[in-house]
Amino acid sequence: NAGVMQNPRHLVRRRGQEARLRCSPMKGHSHVYWYRQLPEEGLKFMVYLQKENIIDESGMPKERFSAEFPKEGPSILRIQQVVRGDSAAYFCASSVPGQGIYGYTFGSGTRLTVV
Amino acid sequence: DAKTTQPNSMESNEEEPVHLPCNHSTISGTDYIHWYRQLPSQGPEYVIHGLTSNVNNRMASLAIAEDRKSSTLILHRATLRDAAVYYCIRVGGSEKLVFGKGTKLTVNP
Repeated sequence: NAGVMQNPRHLVRRRGQEARLRCSPMKGHSHVYWYRQLPEEGLKFMVYLQKENIIDESGMPKERFSAEFPKEGPSILRIQQVVRGDSAAYFCASSVPGQGIYGYTFGSGTRLTVV
Repeated sequence: DAKTTQPNSMESNEEEPVHLPCNHSTISGTDYIHWYRQLPSQGPEYVIHGLTSNVNNRMASLAIAEDRKSSTLILHRATLRDAAVYYCIRVGGSEKLVFGKGTKLTVNP
């Protein structure tokens, strides 16, 4: 029973390039949450998605960031034209609808470094 | 706003019990209390949750005050592997977790 899978684990991008982070939720989980953790800081909520729908994107920066969770395949967090300030660990969590109050499962994260 | 208050850091010795406090004085009647921990270079890991009654699982115990304005996570015998940042989080209807700064637990051998 695989947990939440994130890939790649480490990603290096030059300034101005695009970064694509993938998250495959646990089997049977249809809700996905993305969080960002800047160096030496806490985790900040970014976006909450269900398949083919964004539920809450109140934590997403207004520009360059987008997220999707298609009917088939993993959830993708896309960062266009990356800047050094985007360097962070990005974590994904998943849950069954309405069951988040009983606990979320997180992936191991993608560590993005912008050079 | 995490709406919970935790000490920035705590220290314990190996094989001793650890009591990690959390204040959530403005908690609503339907909010659950969740605890997660984050080991170095890893994602957050669910530890335990509760609503009103004390809870036990294989990882820890959660003691919830009768007025629900505070709770305590109890690690019965700390090990070096328990060194982590522990987050106390109120979880309500929005289903998203709002993390505070947590408590950094150091376990001494």
